[in-house]
Amino acid sequence: AQSVTQLDSHVSVSEGTPVLLRCNYSSSYSPSLFWYVQHPNKGLQLLLKYTSAATLVKGINGFEAEFKKSETSFHLTKPSAHMSDAAEYFCVVSDETSYDKVIFGPGTSLSVIP
Amino acid sequence: DSGVTQTPKHLITATGQRVTLRCSPRSGDLSVYWYQQSLDQGLQFLIQYYNGEERAKGNILERFSAQQFPDLHSELNLSSLELGDSALYFCASSTQRGGTDYNEQFFGPGTRLTVL
Repeated sequence: AQSVTQLDSHVSVSEGTPVLLRCNYSSSYSPSLFWYVQHPNKGLQLLLKYTSAATLVKGINGFEAEFKKSETSFHLTKPSAHMSDAAEYFCVVSDETSYDKVIFGPGTSLSVIP
Repeated sequence: DSGVTQTPKHLITATGQRVTLRCSPRSGDLSVYWYQQSLDQGLQFLIQYYNGEERAKGNILERFSAQQFPDLHSELNLSSLELGDSALYFCASSTQRGGTDYNEQFFGPGTRLTVL
Protein backbone atom coordinates (compact mmCIF):
# COMPACT_ATOMS: atom_id res chain seq x y z
CA ALA A 1 0.00 0.00 0.00
CA GLN A 2 1.15 3.47 -0.70
CA SER A 3 1.18 6.41 1.68
CA VAL A 4 2.55 9.91 1.95
CA THR A 5 3.80 11.76 4.99
CA GLN A 6 4.41 15.47 5.00
CA LEU A 7 6.49 16.04 8.06
CA ASP A 8 5.47 19.63 8.72
CA SER A 9 1.91 20.84 8.75
CA HIS A 10 3.12 24.44 8.73
CA VAL A 11 6.36 26.09 7.66
CA SER A 12 7.17 29.75 8.05
CA VAL A 13 10.11 31.42 6.29
CA SER A 14 11.30 34.96 5.70
CA GLU A 15 11.17 36.40 2.21
CA GLY A 16 14.43 35.72 0.39
CA THR A 17 15.39 32.71 2.52
CA PRO A 18 15.37 29.07 1.39
CA VAL A 19 12.28 26.90 1.48
CA LEU A 20 12.29 23.23 2.44
CA LEU A 21 9.05 21.24 2.50
CA ARG A 22 9.54 17.63 3.48
CA CYS A 23 7.79 14.59 2.05
CA ASN A 24 8.32 10.91 2.71
CA TYR A 25 6.46 8.18 0.90
CA SER A 26 5.80 4.51 1.15
CA SER A 27 5.33 2.44 -1.96
CA SER A 28 5.92 -1.19 -2.78
CA TYR A 29 6.76 -0.41 -6.38
CA SER A 30 8.47 2.28 -8.39
CA PRO A 31 6.48 5.35 -7.53
CA SER A 32 5.61 8.47 -9.41
CA LEU A 33 5.77 11.51 -7.18
CA PHE A 34 4.32 14.97 -7.56
CA TRP A 35 4.09 18.27 -5.79
CA TYR A 36 0.97 20.38 -6.18
CA VAL A 37 0.38 23.89 -4.87
CA GLN A 38 -2.95 25.34 -3.79
CA HIS A 39 -3.26 29.08 -3.34
CA PRO A 40 -6.10 30.38 -1.17
CA ASN A 41 -9.51 29.82 -2.72
CA LYS A 42 -7.96 28.27 -5.81
CA GLY A 43 -7.69 24.81 -7.30
CA LEU A 44 -4.49 22.80 -7.25
CA GLN A 45 -1.68 23.34 -9.72
CA LEU A 46 1.13 20.94 -10.58
CA LEU A 47 4.56 22.22 -9.51
CA LEU A 48 6.66 19.27 -10.65
CA LYS A 49 6.65 15.51 -11.11
CA TYR A 50 9.08 12.62 -10.87
CA THR A 51 8.49 9.59 -13.08
CA SER A 52 11.76 7.60 -12.90
CA ALA A 53 13.85 9.84 -15.10
CA ALA A 54 16.28 12.29 -13.48
CA THR A 55 16.20 12.21 -9.70
CA LEU A 56 16.46 16.00 -9.46
CA VAL A 57 13.31 17.49 -10.85
CA LYS A 58 12.86 21.14 -11.68
CA GLY A 59 9.42 22.67 -11.61
CA ILE A 60 7.73 25.97 -12.07
CA ASN A 61 8.41 29.15 -10.12
CA GLY A 62 11.93 28.11 -9.15
CA PHE A 63 10.95 25.02 -7.18
CA GLU A 64 12.77 21.73 -7.41
CA ALA A 65 12.64 18.36 -5.69
CA GLU A 66 15.04 15.47 -5.34
CA PHE A 67 13.95 11.85 -5.34
CA LYS A 68 15.99 9.81 -2.86
CA LYS A 69 15.01 6.17 -3.00
CA SER A 70 17.23 5.15 -0.09
CA GLU A 71 15.49 7.69 2.15
CA THR A 72 12.06 7.31 0.50
CA SER A 73 11.93 11.08 0.34
CA PHE A 74 10.90 13.70 -2.19
CA HIS A 75 11.54 17.03 -0.49
CA LEU A 76 10.59 20.28 -2.19
CA THR A 77 13.03 23.19 -2.14
CA LYS A 78 13.41 26.71 -3.41
CA PRO A 79 16.52 28.85 -2.92
CA SER A 80 14.70 32.10 -2.18
CA ALA A 81 11.12 32.48 -1.01
CA HIS A 82 8.76 35.07 -2.49
CA MET A 83 5.62 36.42 -0.89
CA SER A 84 3.63 34.80 -3.71
CA ASP A 85 4.84 31.36 -2.59
CA ALA A 86 2.54 31.47 0.44
CA ALA A 87 0.15 28.58 -0.18
CA GLU A 88 -0.67 24.98 0.69
CA TYR A 89 1.63 22.35 -0.81
CA PHE A 90 0.68 18.74 -1.37
CA CYS A 91 3.00 15.82 -1.98
CA VAL A 92 1.37 13.09 -4.06
CA VAL A 93 2.33 9.48 -4.76
CA SER A 94 1.12 7.01 -7.31
CA ASP A 95 2.61 3.67 -8.27
CA GLU A 96 2.36 0.96 -10.86
CA THR A 97 -0.27 -0.95 -8.93
CA SER A 98 -2.73 1.86 -8.57
CA TYR A 99 -1.92 4.75 -10.80
CA ASP A 100 -5.53 5.72 -10.78
CA LYS A 101 -5.67 6.08 -7.04
CA VAL A 102 -3.26 8.84 -6.37
CA ILE A 103 -2.63 9.48 -2.71
CA PHE A 104 -2.34 13.04 -1.49
CA GLY A 105 -0.34 13.96 1.58
CA PRO A 106 -2.03 16.04 4.29
CA GLY A 107 -0.46 19.24 3.00
CA THR A 108 2.04 21.77 4.32
CA SER A 109 0.99 25.36 4.74
CA LEU A 110 3.82 27.74 3.78
CA SER A 111 3.87 31.26 5.21
CA VAL A 112 6.31 33.85 3.92
CA ILE A 113 7.17 36.71 6.26
CA PRO A 114 8.12 40.05 4.69
CA ASP B 1 -6.96 29.52 -15.37
CA SER B 2 -6.72 25.74 -15.75
CA GLY B 3 -9.48 25.46 -18.35
CA VAL B 4 -11.57 23.27 -16.06
CA THR B 5 -14.86 24.80 -14.98
CA GLN B 6 -17.05 23.83 -12.07
CA THR B 7 -20.52 24.97 -11.15
CA PRO B 8 -21.83 26.13 -8.80
CA LYS B 9 -19.04 27.83 -6.83
CA HIS B 10 -20.97 27.62 -3.60
CA LEU B 11 -23.86 25.45 -2.53
CA ILE B 12 -25.73 25.59 0.75
CA THR B 13 -28.27 22.92 1.52
CA ALA B 14 -29.85 20.97 4.36
CA THR B 15 -29.24 17.49 5.70
CA GLY B 16 -31.05 14.77 3.82
CA GLN B 17 -31.06 16.70 0.57
CA ARG B 18 -29.52 15.81 -2.79
CA VAL B 19 -27.25 18.02 -4.90
CA THR B 20 -25.51 17.80 -8.24
CA LEU B 21 -22.11 19.28 -8.93
CA ARG B 22 -21.04 19.87 -12.49
CA CYS B 23 -17.63 19.83 -14.13
CA SER B 24 -16.49 20.67 -17.65
CA PRO B 25 -13.00 19.37 -18.44
CA ARG B 26 -10.35 21.11 -20.51
CA SER B 27 -10.92 20.90 -24.21
CA GLY B 28 -9.57 17.56 -25.43
CA ASP B 29 -9.24 15.95 -22.00
CA LEU B 30 -10.98 12.60 -21.77
CA SER B 31 -10.42 11.86 -18.08
CA VAL B 32 -12.30 13.51 -15.27
CA TYR B 33 -11.46 13.04 -11.60
CA TRP B 34 -13.45 14.05 -8.54
CA TYR B 35 -11.90 14.89 -5.18
CA GLN B 36 -13.22 15.89 -1.78
CA GLN B 37 -11.22 18.26 0.42
CA SER B 38 -12.23 18.66 4.04
CA LEU B 39 -10.40 19.88 7.12
CA ASP B 40 -10.45 16.53 8.89
CA GLN B 41 -9.92 14.18 5.93
CA GLY B 42 -7.66 16.25 3.72
CA LEU B 43 -7.80 15.78 -0.03
CA GLN B 44 -9.31 12.46 -1.06
CA PHE B 45 -9.75 10.94 -4.48
CA LEU B 46 -13.35 9.93 -5.10
CA ILE B 47 -13.73 8.62 -8.63
CA GLN B 48 -12.38 8.83 -12.16
CA TYR B 49 -14.14 8.62 -15.52
CA TYR B 50 -12.48 8.16 -18.86
CA ASN B 51 -14.41 8.87 -22.06
CA GLY B 52 -17.73 8.13 -20.41
CA GLU B 53 -16.75 5.03 -18.49
CA GLU B 54 -15.88 4.64 -14.84
CA ARG B 55 -12.13 4.02 -14.62
CA ALA B 56 -11.24 4.00 -10.94
CA LYS B 57 -12.90 4.39 -7.57
CA GLY B 58 -11.41 5.84 -4.45
CA ASN B 59 -13.03 6.67 -1.13
CA ILE B 60 -16.44 7.40 -2.55
CA LEU B 61 -19.48 6.79 -0.36
CA GLU B 62 -22.42 4.76 -1.66
CA ARG B 63 -24.58 7.88 -1.27
CA PHE B 64 -22.41 9.54 -3.91
CA SER B 65 -22.42 8.77 -7.60
CA ALA B 66 -21.00 10.30 -10.73
CA GLN B 67 -21.26 10.06 -14.46
CA GLN B 68 -19.56 11.42 -17.54
CA PHE B 69 -21.68 12.40 -20.50
CA PRO B 70 -20.97 12.07 -24.25
CA ASP B 71 -19.82 15.70 -24.38
CA LEU B 72 -17.33 14.72 -21.61
CA HIS B 73 -18.71 16.93 -18.89
CA SER B 74 -19.24 15.17 -15.60
CA GLU B 75 -21.65 15.39 -12.72
CA LEU B 76 -21.18 14.31 -9.12
CA ASN B 77 -24.41 13.51 -7.32
CA LEU B 78 -24.48 13.62 -3.54
CA SER B 79 -27.60 12.34 -1.81
CA SER B 80 -28.92 11.95 1.75
CA LEU B 81 -26.50 14.68 2.69
CA GLU B 82 -24.98 14.76 6.15
CA LEU B 83 -23.21 17.52 8.02
CA GLY B 84 -19.93 15.73 7.45
CA ASP B 85 -20.32 16.04 3.69
CA SER B 86 -19.55 19.74 3.94
CA ALA B 87 -16.35 20.17 1.98
CA LEU B 88 -14.70 21.57 -1.10
CA TYR B 89 -15.26 19.31 -4.10
CA PHE B 90 -12.71 19.51 -6.88
CA CYS B 91 -12.89 18.23 -10.38
CA ALA B 92 -9.73 17.65 -12.39
CA SER B 93 -9.14 16.57 -15.95
CA SER B 94 -6.27 15.07 -17.88
CA THR B 95 -5.59 13.72 -21.32
CA GLN B 96 -4.60 10.31 -20.06
CA ARG B 97 -6.60 7.22 -19.35
CA GLY B 98 -4.76 6.47 -16.16
CA GLY B 99 -2.97 3.25 -15.42
CA THR B 100 0.72 3.57 -16.26
CA ASP B 101 0.09 6.73 -18.21
CA TYR B 102 -0.51 8.95 -15.21
CA ASN B 103 -0.15 12.50 -16.30
CA GLU B 104 -0.72 15.98 -14.99
CA GLN B 105 -4.20 16.72 -13.75
CA PHE B 106 -5.65 20.17 -14.21
CA PHE B 107 -7.89 21.21 -11.35
CA GLY B 108 -11.00 23.33 -11.41
CA PRO B 109 -11.65 26.03 -8.81
CA GLY B 110 -13.91 23.75 -6.77
CA THR B 111 -17.44 23.79 -5.43
CA ARG B 112 -17.82 24.60 -1.76
CA LEU B 113 -20.68 22.58 -0.29
CA THR B 114 -22.15 23.55 3.05
CA VAL B 115 -24.67 21.20 4.64
CA LEU B 116 -26.69 22.76 7.46
